Amino acid sequence: NAGVTQTPKFQVLKTGQSMTLQCAQDMNHNSMYWYRQDPGMGLRLIYYSASEGTTDKGEVPNGYNVSRLNKREFSLRLESAAPSQTSVYFCASQGAGEQFFGPGTRLTVL
Amino acid sequence: AQSVSQHNHHVILSEAASLELGCNYSYGGTVNLFWYVQYPGQHLQLLLKYFSGDPLVKGIKGFEAEFIKSKFSFNLRKPSVQWSDTAEYFCAVNSMWGYNKLIFGAGTRLAVHP
Repeated sequence: NAGVTQTPKFQVLKTGQSMTLQCAQDMNHNSMYWYRQDPGMGLRLIYYSASEGTTDKGEVPNGYNVSRLNKREFSLRLESAAPSQTSVYFCASQGAGEQFFGPGTRLTVL
Repeated sequence: AQSVSQHNHHVILSEAASLELGCNYSYGGTVNLFWYVQYPGQHLQLLLKYFSGDPLVKGIKGFEAEFIKSKFSFNLRKPSVQWSDTAEYFCAVNSMWGYNKLIFGAGTRLAVHP
């Protein structure tokens, strides 16, 4: 039982490049989330998915898109990366009222 | 907008000292409350949670938190900290728009010196 997994662990992009962050969970949870973590700001919700086939914007959705590919997988895409998107990205899934987090992706945009 | 305030951004303690981290939230309705911990280089893990019932909640590793509804507070406590408690601690509350979304505080970095 791996819980929530994320790939890649680290990524460096140039401004304007695109990339997709992958997330998968094996706990059969309906709800999944993408957060970004910045120093002094806690975790801020980017997008979430209450169930397969549905997605909704969170607090900071600009510059991002998501896909809920199936119940297990929830990907986050940066179409044209900007330095302001340098951050640590966490994926989470929710079951029994508790959110379980992945190990994170540290993204640097130059 | 709903918010969560953690009053201490950085706390430095010696081993065996007592710990109390403050957390206040702005939503006045029914809430679920959480404390998460992030050890250096690791992902967030749940320390404890409050949904209903006894307002004094006990979590893992000797941590506890008290929900005081009249003060909109959910402070985290530990009677005697250890070096291994060095981490960042986040308070979170379910969003007023639904129990499936969490609002996080900015976090408190705790450094425990031997």
